[in-house]
Amino acid sequence: SQQGEEDPQALSIQEGENATMNCSYKTSINNLQWYRQNSGRGLVHLILIRSNEREKHSGRLRVTLDTSKKSSSLLITASRAADTASYFCATVARSGNTGKLIFGQGTTLQVKP
Amino acid sequence: DGGITQSPKYLFRKEGQNVTLSCEQNLNHDAMYWYRQDPGQGLRLIYYSQIVNDFQKGDIAEGYSVSREKKESFPLTVTSAQKNPTAFYLCASSSWTSGRAFGETQYFGPGTRLLVL
Repeated sequence: SQQGEEDPQALSIQEGENATMNCSYKTSINNLQWYRQNSGRGLVHLILIRSNEREKHSGRLRVTLDTSKKSSSLLITASRAADTASYFCATVARSGNTGKLIFGQGTTLQVKP
Repeated sequence: DGGITQSPKYLFRKEGQNVTLSCEQNLNHDAMYWYRQDPGQGLRLIYYSQIVNDFQKGDIAEGYSVSREKKESFPLTVTSAQKNPTAFYLCASSSWTSGRAFGETQYFGPGTRLLVL
């Protein structure tokens, strides 16, 4: 089964509003990453947060990590139509020493102009 | 420009045919990966390679094969044994930091959409 589960599966908001996406995972992780995918395209890396970090910012993006709850959230502030895309969390498990990325099923975000 | 390229953008496979998807990177990355993405789903790892002439099976390797003869290239062959090949295939690469190759940022190509005739 996949490591990351994302919630909600789909989100529709108006331009200017904030968008929050959540990711839960099952096992201890080394780090957690968020990626964006525009329709029919490859993935673009957004943020990497390590297991010893609790919050990270990049421009309008804010990521939090709660290892006790095995969850992470991605907040996009002041959303724009160009933010319309699918967003995936991916985890790197601490055990097994493979460091493979395990992806969630993604949240599809639609930002209406 | 540095980056990772995939070709073709669309590929059609006939019954019983093997097809090969190309992936090339000029980022000087040691590690390369192939993922499969089905509609509305996340990515699943098919094969990965940390160094030239070495590769490992991912979670869904059956019906696929790869080679890594050059650092820049990691082609994926979808064989006739893969009974449900219709999907979006993504190639990625990452730099190697001893013991952490898979833990760092992965850079993705634009993808190849494989369809069965």
